[in-house]
Amino acid sequence: KAGVTQTPRYLIKTRGQQVTLSCSPISGHRSVSWYQQTPGQGLQFLFEYFSETQRNKGNFPGRFSGRQFSNSRSEMNVSTLELGDSALYLCASREQMNTEAFFGQGTRLTVV
Amino acid sequence: KQEVTQIPAALSVPEGENLVLNCSFTDSAIYNLQWFRQDPGKGLTSLLLIQSSQREQTSGRLNASLDKSSGRSTLYIAASQPGDSATYLCALYNTDKLIFGTGTRLQVFP
Repeated sequence: KAGVTQTPRYLIKTRGQQVTLSCSPISGHRSVSWYQQTPGQGLQFLFEYFSETQRNKGNFPGRFSGRQFSNSRSEMNVSTLELGDSALYLCASREQMNTEAFFGQGTRLTVV
Repeated sequence: KQEVTQIPAALSVPEGENLVLNCSFTDSAIYNLQWFRQDPGKGLTSLLLIQSSQREQTSGRLNASLDKSSGRSTLYIAASQPGDSATYLCALYNTDKLIFGTGTRLQVFP
């Protein structure tokens, strides 16, 4: 069974630009959640989708948005990038709520 | 607000030692708890999931325990190896999200 796939693995963007990250969950998993990891803040929850519906959102500005498609693949978008958005963005896949979470390798975003 | 703390923050041990990593949380009303390892620059690898009704789980050289009443979980690593070197994270389930601990950076030297 294939794992969680995140693309791209690395991105370099300029301040003010926007970026879209993609996550393909494990086959049969309907829950996809996103986390931001930085050295100073650790791992912080961004949002969670289940069957195309956003069920929960973390404490991030509206520049961070996401969506989930009917095949459970999810995208995350960050608009008007700031230097502080530089981070490792991780996606987690679960069969349903409270089941084991499996993470992808992450997308390393650098904003210059 | 749930807070999750891991002690120690860093640990360096010789190969072969048995280790205990600690995870403390402030709110005992949790669902499940999961332990992960993270290699530098990589994603998280799931190690063990403990359901809220369980007290421990074992996988190979790893054993994790959960004591909700005291707000603690421990990860026991038997006969440590250099390949165990990584950052270990515990995470609590809170409805739709995971709340992560601060992590323990482990180095096992030959």
